Formats: sequence, structure tokens, C-alpha cells
Amino acid sequence: DTAVSQTPKYLVTQMGNDKSIKCEQNLGHDTMYWYKQDSKKFLKIMFSYNNKELIINETVPNRFSPKSPDKAHLNLHINSLELGDSAVYFCASSQAAPHYGYTFGSGTRLTVV
Amino acid sequence: GNSVTQMEGPVTLSEEAFLTINCTYTATGYPSLFWYVQYPGEGLQLLLKATKADDKGSNKGFEATYRKETTSFHLEKGSVQVSDSAVYFCALRAGGGNKLTFGTGTQLKVEL
Repeated sequence: DTAVSQTPKYLVTQMGNDKSIKCEQNLGHDTMYWYKQDSKKFLKIMFSYNNKELIINETVPNRFSPKSPDKAHLNLHINSLELGDSAVYFCASSQAAPHYGYTFGSGTRLTVV
Repeated sequence: GNSVTQMEGPVTLSEEAFLTINCTYTATGYPSLFWYVQYPGEGLQLLLKATKADDKGSNKGFEATYRKETTSFHLEKGSVQVSDSAVYFCALRAGGGNKLTFGTGTQLKVEL
């Protein structure tokens, strides 16, 4: 009964390739997020969708494009991968009200070689 | 804007020692405060939370009290175990978009 599931768990690819990471939540939450965690464990929000509508789009290269086909899914597509894109990417979901915490997926470790 | 400041790690303790990880915040309005834990190779798990001033969040022997006067939410545990070794993140949620803003994380290592 995984609440927030991401695939794949590991992704190794060459520079210049295009790749996608998928995320699904079965919690009935309205809002979904993508975070990037760098090698020093720093977490930075990338995108947020509420009921399929983009509500947060932080300063992220436009090579990164989120897509939300429905409120239970939020995918991340990355074009023209660069070495600096290597990181762990976390999907999360929550209810909209601020007193709710987020539920995180287990992460996708992306390595660009 | 909103921000969270945590003490730098790593913090190394012997088993059964007392733990404090300091966390202070800056926010507009009245944020909700959270502690998350990340075990090696895993995602983040919500450890505890507090949603208003003077609330105490607690879970698995960990506690933190929402102190509005000092804008702090320090994490404490009376007796740590080796299994508590992980990275601990303080976070707040408030303001536009209600996004969760994290501190930089504090790595805890507990040794026998």
C-alpha cells in the first residue's frame, strides 16, 4: 500500500539524453510536488501542482517540465541532461492546508555520466 | 521570505545520550512547523509537527515545542539509540503556495 510511489528508483544516463520520472499517490491529496536533493542533502522545491494546475514553479531550467495528467500523478521530464542534474529527486503530496505535512516518495537517484 | 536555520552537523553521540538539534525560523504569519527524518537511502518521513504557538509535537521519544517568542522549534530526545542515526530536517509551511521550506538538515550519528 505505497502512499507515494516513484519510478525508477535509480536512473543512470548519459549527458544529452532525455529522461522521465513518474510519481503516483493514492492518498487522495490535492497537491503534489517535486523536490531536488543535492549531494549535501539540501532540499529545494522545483514544482507544485494543485489539482492538475501548476502553482509553484521555482527557478528551474526550462529543460525540466512537469506534467500532471490527473491529481494523483505528477511526472517530471528532463531534456538534454547535464552533469549538474545528478541528484536525488523526491516527489511528495499533501492536502492544501498549511497544517498538513507532506508525504514523500522514496526518491529517484539520477546519475548523469 | 520564509527560512529555516538548523545547527550544522554531523552530531555524534553515544547511545543513551541526550539529543538537542536546534532549529530557528523566519516566517510571515503563523507557520506550521515540522521535523522530518531521512534514514540512509530512504525518503523523508514526518517525525512530528506543531501547528500553533506552545504546541508540543512528539513521536518515538522525540519532542519539539513551538516557541513563537524565540521563533524556535528545537528537537530533543532523552536517550538516543543507534537506530536514530539519520539526517533530521526542520521545516515550516506558511505563506503563498503553502510550500514546505526546509532547513539544511543535521546528520546524527549514534555510536555504541
